Amino acid sequence: SQQGEEDPQALSIQEGENATMNCSYKTSINNLQWYRQNSGRGLVHLILIRSNEREKHSGRLRVTLDTSKKSSSLLITASRAADTASYFCATAPGNTGKLIFGQGTTLQVKP
Amino acid sequence: KAGVTQTPRYLIKTRGQQVTLSCSPISGHRSVSWYQQTPGQGLQFLFEYFSETQRNKGNFPGRFSGRQFSNSRSEMNVSTLELGDSALYLCASSLAVRDEQYFGPGTRLTVT
Repeated sequence: SQQGEEDPQALSIQEGENATMNCSYKTSINNLQWYRQNSGRGLVHLILIRSNEREKHSGRLRVTLDTSKKSSSLLITASRAADTASYFCATAPGNTGKLIFGQGTTLQVKP
Repeated sequence: KAGVTQTPRYLIKTRGQQVTLSCSPISGHRSVSWYQQTPGQGLQFLFEYFSETQRNKGNFPGRFSGRQFSNSRSEMNVSTLELGDSALYLCASSLAVRDEQYFGPGTRLTVT
């Protein structure tokens, strides 16, 4: 399988704490995207980081990419109960729009 | 701008029937991709279309087919439905092939 691995599979934290999720992948990529999904609904696009970028920020989100280790991390700072969701990383290999998803990290933020 | 829309949102079919799902991309987006999500297999790529041409196809049987129209709207068809086809089918659109993909709410298909 070309799917990535996400770690941890589940994460439970208190409101206000930071949450870090990691993603590893197998093939060389053009970009890596992070998504959020609430209760089996549609995926919400969070951030895209290209293979020539090392770090990207968007609001309370910080994404890093290490192409030498084929890994990425998503940091959510000052988490809120509304951040409770599943988070997926998806890689786009080569010149294609085909996204390969990891199994996701389920994040629970307790109020 | 309106987001990606998918119709219908929910569908119940019986084994052996066929189904057609529809996706309207964000205005101006020419690339449309389809994904299947199940609890066991997770999110799996089905098809990718750009300017009415299928650029990529995932590892699914020939019962799964799709197409894209000149207005970038896309449809996917599943023939001879099996119980294992029960899933959330998600459509995503992007401006170009390697850009951010924005997903619709999905069509939840239940096969009985």
